[in-house]
Amino acid sequence: GAVVSQHPSRVICKSGTSVKIECRSLDFQATTMFWYRQFPKQSLMLMATSNEGSKATYEQGVEKDKFLINHASLTLSTLTVTSAHPEDSSFYICSARALGLAGTDTQYFGPGTRLTVL
Amino acid sequence: GDSVTQMEGPVTLSEEACLTINCTYTATGYPSLFWYVQYPGEGLQLLLNAKKADDKGSNKGFEATYRKETISFHLEKGSVQVSDSAVYFCALSDPGNQFYFGTGTSLTVIP
Repeated sequence: GAVVSQHPSRVICKSGTSVKIECRSLDFQATTMFWYRQFPKQSLMLMATSNEGSKATYEQGVEKDKFLINHASLTLSTLTVTSAHPEDSSFYICSARALGLAGTDTQYFGPGTRLTVL
Repeated sequence: GDSVTQMEGPVTLSEEACLTINCTYTATGYPSLFWYVQYPGEGLQLLLNAKKADDKGSNKGFEATYRKETISFHLEKGSVQVSDSAVYFCALSDPGNQFYFGTGTSLTVIP
């Protein structure tokens, strides 16, 4: 099946630093990738939709200047948490849309990145 | 708007017990339905899915049937194992491939 990787899997940083998280589709091209945030014991919250070659579409309440998204190629999207603060600590998960049989779309999820801001 | 409601947990079962996690949905169109599983410290893995009414998804002994009349997609397994301990998310995908997730149900299976 389609595989999505994320790097790093875990990161600990000091308050005020910026952190970049990479999301890669390993064996398929993804014109669209999605970034989610998951708080402890809660469901996934869609943060933004990332389309290759264009600006990301952010969900209401998500600061685009805080969470910079770059979808540089059909296999790579990056999320940069700028000037991270402890409240940004969370589990960030990306997914990529793969065009399946008969034009049906399926999203495949990465393993997630645990961000801890001290 | 579209949404998913699933049974709240946590659920604790003994090994070999039967499992049912209820999931109902609200959708304006004809969504695809999914069950994802999240093991501790990991991301989501697709467990099974169904694309239209009356389709049955199955994988690793788990099953769920897309029932339009009851707007449900309940997850079932006849005999759970300790290794099934995880959080299970019901989700729907609208025709635009926007995903909506339930709040997740934590399952613990004890030997």
